[in-house]
Amino acid sequence: QVHLVQSGAEMRKPGSSVKVSCKASGGSFKMYSVSWVRQAPGQGLEWMGRIMPMVGSTNYAPKYRGRVTVTADTSTTTVSMELNSLGSEDTAVYYCATGYKGFFHSWGQGTLVTVSS
Amino acid sequence: QSVLTQPPSVSGAPGQRVTISCTGSSSNIGAGYDAHWYQQFPGSAPRLIMFGNGSRPSGVPDRFSGSKSATSASLAITGLQPEDEADYYCQSYDMSGAVFGGGTKLTVL
Repeated sequence: QVHLVQSGAEMRKPGSSVKVSCKASGGSFKMYSVSWVRQAPGQGLEWMGRIMPMVGSTNYAPKYRGRVTVTADTSTTTVSMELNSLGSEDTAVYYCATGYKGFFHSWGQGTLVTVSS
Repeated sequence: QSVLTQPPSVSGAPGQRVTISCTGSSSNIGAGYDAHWYQQFPGSAPRLIMFGNGSRPSGVPDRFSGSKSATSASLAITGLQPEDEADYYCQSYDMSGAVFGGGTKLTVL
C-alpha cells in the first residue's frame, strides 16, 4: 500500500500560481498513476488530471487543460501539481491519489490552498 | 453540476438498510466503466470502500455492498451503525477522465 504525504497549506493572491507536492513511499510508485482531485469548501470531489510516473504521460480534465501541470520525479518518488491563474474559486483542498484499474486506492492527507487578495 | 448523479442525502436508523444510487450515462457507467465508492468523514481524505462495482478492499465490513446495472450503480449498507455517518461518493470514468458524483450525506438517526 502506497503512503502519500502532501506539502503544507498555501495562501496565494488572485492571478498567481501554486505548486503542491505529493511524496509516495511504501509501495511501487511506478506501478500506478497519480491523480489530483480537489474539493472546494462544502462541495464534492473533482478530478483534475493524472500522470503515469513510469512514462511521464499526463491526462487533464478539459476544465483544467492549459492551466494545470502535473509532473513526476521518480528519483524522489514525488508528484507535483501546479495550477496557474488562480481565482477565488480555486480555494479548495487538493488531494493526490494513486490510481489502479480506474479507482483511487491511496490518498494523501490533502493540502488547503486559499486564494484571497 | 456533477457528471454522476447522487441523492444529496439519505438517512436510516441503526440496524436498518440504506441504499445510495449513482446515475450515470452511456458515456461513463453505461459505456462499461466500473463504478467505485468512497467514504469521507469531515476534515479527512476520502477512503475507498468499494471498487469494481462490488468488491471491497480489506478492512471494509461486509455490511457494505455494491452493484451496477446499465447506466447506474448502487451502494447498500445493511445493519446501519452510527460510525457509518459520513459522505459517500461514487466515481467512474468517461473519455475525459475520472468523474465523480456530487456526494451523498448519510445520517444515522
